[in-house]
Amino acid sequence: AQSVAQPEDQVNVAEGNPLTVKCTYSVSGNPYLFWYVQYPNRGLQFLLKYITGDNLVKGSYGFEAEFNKSQTSFHLKKPSALVSDSALYFCAVRDNSQGGDDKIIFGKGTRLHILP
Amino acid sequence: EAQVTQNPRYLITVTGKKLTVTCSQNMNHEYMSWYRQDPGLGLRQIYYSMNVEVTDKGDVPEGYKVSRKEKRNFPLILESPSPNQTSLYFCASRRGAAGDTQYFGPGTRLTVL
Repeated sequence: AQSVAQPEDQVNVAEGNPLTVKCTYSVSGNPYLFWYVQYPNRGLQFLLKYITGDNLVKGSYGFEAEFNKSQTSFHLKKPSALVSDSALYFCAVRDNSQGGDDKIIFGKGTRLHILP
Repeated sequence: EAQVTQNPRYLITVTGKKLTVTCSQNMNHEYMSWYRQDPGLGLRQIYYSMNVEVTDKGDVPEGYKVSRKEKRNFPLILESPSPNQTSLYFCASRRGAAGDTQYFGPGTRLTVL
């Protein structure tokens, strides 16, 4: 069965410093991987995804993520954090060998606090 | 504007009183899905639909029903709500292929007393 783990409930980073939000996954086939962000009282917004190809994926708001197959990870990164990046971040995975089944599994979320 | 809309945004009800949360998308997407978000549990998929008249269970379907009579609408029905269904609910849609981006609605906060 597929699963995704976000090992940190909360990450605190000083403004201007690089940030990393961790995600590891488990699938039986090849993964589709996604990052979403949720601002207070809002729905989820898409940040970036990995489907195939280049392991380094660039997304919205200066975020990027690197697909590492050997470590089964898809960590979200940004070189220089902004206070406005403070939000709840979700990693999600779909096993693309599922065939007709289309379950997408979300992690529990990591709350990112950027300190001024 | 391309969007997913949900109604109502907030609802307080009592145990056993049937309710429907509507979801509509204007992007002609084939795939639609319902999730619930609970603290410490992240988002869990309730039901999804890959096209009109095609629906399937997600990870937590108990106590919920859905229908997909039209492409744009995907209502979530709670026939007999219970307090453990108090949650934040999100509807989402995507064009079709599994790798396509999902677009989420603004959420419906449901409280069942």
